[in-house]
Amino acid sequence: GIQVEQSPPDLILQEGANSTLRCNFSDSVNNLQWFHQNPWGQLINLFYIPSGTKQNGRLSATTVATERYSLLYISSSQTTDSGVYFCAVVTGGGNKLTFGTGTQLKVEL
Amino acid sequence: GAVVSQHPSWVICKSGTSVKIECRSLDFQATTMFWYRQFPKQSLMLMATSNEGSKATYEQGVEKDKFLINHASLTLSTLTVTSAHPEDSSFYICSARDYRGNTEAFFGQGTRLTVV
Repeated sequence: GIQVEQSPPDLILQEGANSTLRCNFSDSVNNLQWFHQNPWGQLINLFYIPSGTKQNGRLSATTVATERYSLLYISSSQTTDSGVYFCAVVTGGGNKLTFGTGTQLKVEL
Repeated sequence: GAVVSQHPSWVICKSGTSVKIECRSLDFQATTMFWYRQFPKQSLMLMATSNEGSKATYEQGVEKDKFLINHASLTLSTLTVTSAHPEDSSFYICSARDYRGNTEAFFGQGTRLTVV
């Protein structure tokens, strides 16, 4: 099956800093989504981005499907950005989301 | 975005008993829903795909007799953990996608199951 690797696995930032999270996948994908899992476990949809670039406030994402990676940018980070960030992909003719390994982010004052 | 509601949020049960978890799509219809399991500090692993009106499709290594899935309507799927054991303690989370196309998936709040 497809392999979805995220980097870095852990990240500590000072409030106000910027960061880039990366998602690499081993096969072509139809869909790609980014999620933020909050401390209570809830998955918050950030982006549905099988290709191209999108922005939503302090967050933006870019997927280069031909090169099999996606990037999530967080600018002016806040303590509420802390949590785990996952990318997830759907491959081929299927409809199942395969999750990446995750990036644990901690934003400190 | 679409809303998926999962209930209960947490449950504690005794070994040997069964627990049912519900997953509802509140403002859209879903012919397919998905059940995931997450252990602490790990990623989400797909357990099974729930198909409305037909049998669920289980991932390799997931016991179908242990994790019973029913998808009786276009807005409700249930996961029953039967004869629960402490090793079944985990975070279970469901997902649904609008039946009209290969679109964005939305997730329930998750259920934290503790078997004592």
